[in-house]
Amino acid sequence: AIRMTQSPSSLSASTGDRVTITCRASQGISSYLAWYQQKPGNAPKLLIYGASTLHSGVPSRFSGSGSGTDFTLTISSLQSEDFATYYCQQYYNYPFTFGPGTKVDI
Amino acid sequence: EVQLVQSGAEVKKPGESLKISCKASGYSFIDYWIGWVRQMPGKGLEWMGIIYPADSETRYSPSFQGQVTFSADKSINTAYLQWRSLKASDTAMYYCAVQRGDTGFDDFQFWGRGTLVTVSS
Repeated sequence: AIRMTQSPSSLSASTGDRVTITCRASQGISSYLAWYQQKPGNAPKLLIYGASTLHSGVPSRFSGSGSGTDFTLTISSLQSEDFATYYCQQYYNYPFTFGPGTKVDI
Repeated sequence: EVQLVQSGAEVKKPGESLKISCKASGYSFIDYWIGWVRQMPGKGLEWMGIIYPADSETRYSPSFQGQVTFSADKSINTAYLQWRSLKASDTAMYYCAVQRGDTGFDDFQFWGRGTLVTVSS
């Protein structure tokens, strides 16, 4: 199975900060990479698919980039509602796998 | 509007069987792969697998193959996740989610709210 890693595992930031989260795949996955946001007590929500395409309704302060094995999720100006855990997921090979998550808190 | 409505929380004893459901609406149920994701208490997301409701073709993660069964009832737009014999380690939140496309190689575009399964003697 393809192993997904994320860094950092957690970070502390302030409203207005630019935040970057990295996701790495153990083998090339082209652009078959999605990012999800999960707030405590809630189901995950899709943010980005195809490594860089914003899901409908997701604010433009979120962006994704990368292909192959290295990917990034960037939040250009952190808002209070963005404090959450972020997961990457590859859907290139079965079994699809998630990264361990990055918790963004104050 | 796409909706995935999951069945309510369950409390079971080890060795008991269980079937939880995920009722879909707002899209053509048979045309999109629907999957299951486990989240153990305080842990991350684990991809369990997917099912294609049109013909019940399945893809299981090796970690869950043989431990659970996916099924789907096209007549009522509902997907199911089933255990024959629960273990305490099955205690978790289980989410259903529908993929974006019909290839089987897609992200999960929409998610249910989850079903909490607690297994305790």
